[in-house]
Amino acid sequence: GAGVSQSPSNKVTEKGKDVELRCDPISGHTALYWYRQSLGQGLEFLIYFQGNSAPDKSGLPSDRFSAERTGGSVSTLTIQRTQQEDSAVYLCASSTARQPTYNEQFFGPGTRLTVL
Amino acid sequence: GDSVTQMEGPVTLSEEAFLTINCTYTATGYPSLFWYVQYPGEGLQLLLKATKADDKGSNKGFEATYRKETTSFHLEKGSVQVSDSAVYFCALSEGYSSASKIIFGSGTRLSIRP
Repeated sequence: GAGVSQSPSNKVTEKGKDVELRCDPISGHTALYWYRQSLGQGLEFLIYFQGNSAPDKSGLPSDRFSAERTGGSVSTLTIQRTQQEDSAVYLCASSTARQPTYNEQFFGPGTRLTVL
Repeated sequence: GDSVTQMEGPVTLSEEAFLTINCTYTATGYPSLFWYVQYPGEGLQLLLKATKADDKGSNKGFEATYRKETTSFHLEKGSVQVSDSAVYFCALSEGYSSASKIIFGSGTRLSIRP
Protein backbone atom coordinates (compact mmCIF):
# COMPACT_ATOMS: atom_id res chain seq x y z
CA GLY A 1 0.00 0.00 0.00
CA ALA A 2 0.94 3.65 -0.18
CA GLY A 3 3.40 4.97 2.33
CA VAL A 4 3.67 8.42 3.86
CA SER A 5 3.89 11.08 1.18
CA GLN A 6 5.15 14.64 1.47
CA SER A 7 5.07 17.62 -0.81
CA PRO A 8 6.88 19.44 -2.15
CA SER A 9 10.03 17.35 -2.20
CA ASN A 10 12.14 20.50 -2.45
CA LYS A 11 11.34 24.08 -1.55
CA VAL A 12 13.59 27.08 -2.01
CA THR A 13 12.38 30.31 -0.50
CA GLU A 14 13.65 33.73 0.41
CA LYS A 15 14.24 34.81 3.97
CA GLY A 16 11.10 36.32 5.45
CA LYS A 17 8.62 34.41 3.29
CA ASP A 18 6.08 31.93 4.66
CA VAL A 19 6.10 28.27 3.57
CA GLU A 20 3.66 25.39 3.87
CA LEU A 21 4.73 21.76 3.87
CA ARG A 22 2.23 18.97 3.40
CA CYS A 23 2.07 15.42 4.72
CA ASP A 24 -0.29 12.59 3.75
CA PRO A 25 -0.03 9.80 6.33
CA ILE A 26 -0.65 6.12 5.73
CA SER A 27 -4.38 5.47 5.51
CA GLY A 28 -5.77 4.41 8.87
CA HIS A 29 -2.86 5.75 10.91
CA THR A 30 -4.22 7.95 13.65
CA ALA A 31 -0.91 9.39 14.87
CA LEU A 32 1.10 11.87 12.78
CA TYR A 33 4.48 13.38 13.61
CA TRP A 34 6.75 16.08 12.27
CA TYR A 35 10.52 16.04 12.70
CA ARG A 36 13.33 17.96 11.09
CA GLN A 37 16.78 16.79 10.16
CA SER A 38 19.59 19.30 9.94
CA LEU A 39 23.37 19.07 9.95
CA GLY A 40 23.81 20.94 13.18
CA GLN A 41 20.90 19.52 15.19
CA GLY A 42 20.42 15.99 13.95
CA LEU A 43 16.86 14.61 14.03
CA GLU A 44 14.55 16.75 16.17
CA PHE A 45 10.95 16.17 17.12
CA LEU A 46 8.65 19.10 16.32
CA ILE A 47 5.01 18.18 16.92
CA TYR A 48 2.65 15.24 16.92
CA PHE A 49 -1.08 14.63 16.58
CA GLN A 50 -2.90 11.65 18.05
CA GLY A 51 -6.54 11.22 17.11
CA ASN A 52 -8.70 13.99 18.55
CA SER A 53 -6.34 14.80 21.40
CA ALA A 54 -4.60 18.16 21.67
CA PRO A 55 -1.32 18.01 19.74
CA ASP A 56 2.01 17.79 21.54
CA LYS A 57 3.75 20.96 20.38
CA SER A 58 6.66 20.71 22.78
CA GLY A 59 9.30 20.47 20.03
CA LEU A 60 8.35 23.53 18.00
CA PRO A 61 11.41 25.82 18.08
CA SER A 62 9.53 29.13 17.93
CA ASP A 63 6.08 30.64 17.46
CA ARG A 64 6.86 31.02 13.76
CA PHE A 65 6.18 27.29 13.45
CA SER A 66 2.67 25.86 13.50
CA ALA A 67 0.91 22.77 12.24
CA GLU A 68 -2.61 21.58 11.74
CA ARG A 69 -4.21 18.32 10.86
CA THR A 70 -7.51 18.43 9.04
CA GLY A 71 -10.05 15.65 9.27
CA GLY A 72 -7.64 13.42 11.13
CA SER A 73 -5.60 12.83 7.99
CA VAL A 74 -3.54 15.34 6.02
CA SER A 75 -1.28 17.70 7.95
CA THR A 76 0.31 21.02 7.03
CA LEU A 77 3.39 22.45 8.73
CA THR A 78 3.64 26.21 8.31
CA ILE A 79 6.76 28.26 8.90
CA GLN A 80 6.21 32.00 8.94
CA ARG A 81 8.89 34.60 8.22
CA THR A 82 11.44 31.94 7.38
CA GLN A 83 15.03 32.33 8.55
CA GLN A 84 18.18 30.75 7.18
CA GLU A 85 18.46 28.51 10.23
CA ASP A 86 15.13 26.93 9.22
CA SER A 87 16.90 25.25 6.29
CA ALA A 88 16.60 21.50 6.89
CA VAL A 89 14.81 18.38 5.75
CA TYR A 90 11.35 18.22 7.29
CA LEU A 91 10.17 14.67 7.87
CA CYS A 92 6.66 13.45 8.50
CA ALA A 93 5.83 10.08 10.05
CA SER A 94 2.68 8.21 10.97
CA SER A 95 1.79 5.27 13.15
CA THR A 96 -1.22 3.28 14.31
CA ALA A 97 -2.54 3.65 17.83
CA ARG A 98 -2.97 -0.09 18.23
CA GLN A 99 -0.87 -2.69 19.95
CA PRO A 100 1.68 -4.00 19.27
CA THR A 101 2.81 -1.62 16.55
CA TYR A 102 1.62 1.67 17.98
CA ASN A 103 5.13 3.02 18.42
CA GLU A 104 6.47 1.98 15.02
CA GLN A 105 6.65 5.15 12.97
CA PHE A 106 6.76 5.11 9.19
CA PHE A 107 8.56 8.05 7.64
CA GLY A 108 7.96 9.96 4.46
CA PRO A 109 10.74 10.99 2.06
CA GLY A 110 10.91 14.50 3.50
CA THR A 111 10.77 18.04 2.18
CA ARG A 112 14.13 19.73 1.75
CA LEU A 113 13.70 23.39 2.65
CA THR A 114 16.36 25.92 1.66
CA VAL A 115 16.03 29.48 2.87
CA LEU A 116 18.18 31.92 0.93
CA GLY B 1 14.84 14.79 29.88
CA ASP B 2 15.14 11.59 27.89
CA SER B 3 18.16 11.27 25.61
CA VAL B 4 20.08 8.86 23.41
CA THR B 5 23.84 8.78 22.99
CA GLN B 6 25.43 6.77 20.24
CA MET B 7 28.87 6.12 18.93
CA GLU B 8 30.22 8.89 16.77
CA GLY B 9 31.15 8.06 13.24
CA PRO B 10 32.09 7.68 10.61
CA VAL B 11 32.79 3.98 10.95
CA THR B 12 34.60 2.29 8.08
CA LEU B 13 34.88 -1.49 7.90
CA SER B 14 35.85 -4.09 5.36
CA GLU B 15 33.23 -6.45 3.97
CA GLU B 16 32.53 -9.44 6.25
CA ALA B 17 33.85 -7.63 9.33
CA PHE B 18 31.96 -7.69 12.64
CA LEU B 19 30.01 -4.54 13.43
CA THR B 20 29.11 -2.97 16.76
CA ILE B 21 27.55 0.47 17.08
CA ASN B 22 27.18 1.48 20.71
CA CYS B 23 24.05 3.16 22.03
CA THR B 24 23.07 4.17 25.55
CA TYR B 25 19.97 5.96 26.72
CA THR B 26 18.59 8.01 29.59
CA ALA B 27 14.89 7.73 30.33
CA THR B 28 12.62 8.23 33.32
CA GLY B 29 10.38 5.28 32.56
CA TYR B 30 10.54 2.12 30.49
CA PRO B 31 10.97 3.18 26.90
CA SER B 32 10.77 1.22 23.70
CA LEU B 33 14.09 1.22 21.85
CA PHE B 34 14.71 1.33 18.12
CA TRP B 35 17.34 1.33 15.45
CA TYR B 36 16.44 3.27 12.32
CA VAL B 37 18.51 3.25 9.13
CA GLN B 38 18.84 5.78 6.33
CA TYR B 39 20.37 4.40 3.14
CA PRO B 40 21.94 6.88 0.69
CA GLY B 41 19.22 8.84 -1.10
CA GLU B 42 16.43 7.09 0.77
CA GLY B 43 14.09 7.85 3.65
CA LEU B 44 14.36 6.79 7.25
CA GLN B 45 13.17 3.27 7.94
CA LEU B 46 12.80 1.10 11.00
CA LEU B 47 15.48 -1.58 11.22
CA LEU B 48 14.54 -3.27 14.50
CA LYS B 49 12.96 -2.60 17.87
CA ALA B 50 12.64 -3.93 21.42
CA THR B 51 9.91 -2.97 23.83
CA LYS B 52 11.04 -4.35 27.17
CA ALA B 53 14.13 -5.37 29.08
CA ASP B 54 16.04 -8.39 27.72
CA ASP B 55 14.09 -8.32 24.45
CA LYS B 56 16.25 -8.85 21.36
CA GLY B 57 15.28 -7.10 18.15
CA SER B 58 16.60 -8.54 14.90
CA ASN B 59 16.31 -7.90 11.18
CA LYS B 60 18.51 -8.35 8.08
CA GLY B 61 21.23 -10.00 10.17
CA PHE B 62 21.36 -7.09 12.63
CA GLU B 63 20.60 -7.61 16.32
CA ALA B 64 20.27 -5.45 19.42
CA THR B 65 19.38 -6.44 22.98
CA TYR B 66 17.56 -4.15 25.42
CA ARG B 67 19.81 -4.02 28.50
CA LYS B 68 18.07 -2.20 31.34
CA GLU B 69 20.93 -2.68 33.79
CA THR B 70 23.39 -0.88 31.51
CA THR B 71 20.75 1.29 29.74
CA SER B 72 22.15 0.14 26.42
CA PHE B 73 20.91 -1.07 23.05
CA HIS B 74 24.04 -1.79 21.00
CA LEU B 75 23.63 -2.73 17.34
CA GLU B 76 25.59 -5.75 16.07
CA LYS B 77 26.04 -7.67 12.87
CA GLY B 78 28.33 -10.62 12.40
CA SER B 79 29.35 -10.03 8.79
CA VAL B 80 28.67 -6.70 7.10
CA GLN B 81 28.11 -6.17 3.39
CA VAL B 82 28.70 -3.19 1.14
CA SER B 83 24.93 -2.77 0.97
CA ASP B 84 24.88 -2.05 4.73
CA SER B 85 26.55 1.32 4.11
CA ALA B 86 24.12 3.84 5.59
CA VAL B 87 23.49 6.12 8.55
CA TYR B 88 22.16 4.32 11.64
CA PHE B 89 20.11 6.05 14.33
CA CYS B 90 19.43 4.71 17.79
CA ALA B 91 16.18 6.00 19.25
CA LEU B 92 13.67 5.69 22.06
CA SER B 93 9.98 6.27 22.58
CA GLU B 94 8.27 6.66 25.94
CA GLY B 95 4.79 5.72 24.75
CA TYR B 96 3.33 3.02 26.97
CA SER B 97 0.02 2.40 25.33
CA SER B 98 -0.31 5.04 22.68
CA ALA B 99 1.71 7.01 20.22
CA SER B 100 4.61 9.07 21.43
CA LYS B 101 7.42 11.10 19.97
CA ILE B 102 10.75 9.48 19.15
CA ILE B 103 14.00 10.83 20.51
CA PHE B 104 16.92 10.09 18.21
CA GLY B 105 20.63 9.79 18.72
CA SER B 106 22.93 11.81 16.49
CA GLY B 107 23.43 9.01 13.95
CA THR B 108 26.44 6.92 12.97
CA ARG B 109 27.59 6.82 9.37
CA LEU B 110 28.78 3.37 8.35
CA SER B 111 30.84 2.74 5.23
CA ILE B 112 31.77 -0.77 4.11
CA ARG B 113 34.73 -1.30 1.81
CA PRO B 114 34.53 -4.16 -0.73
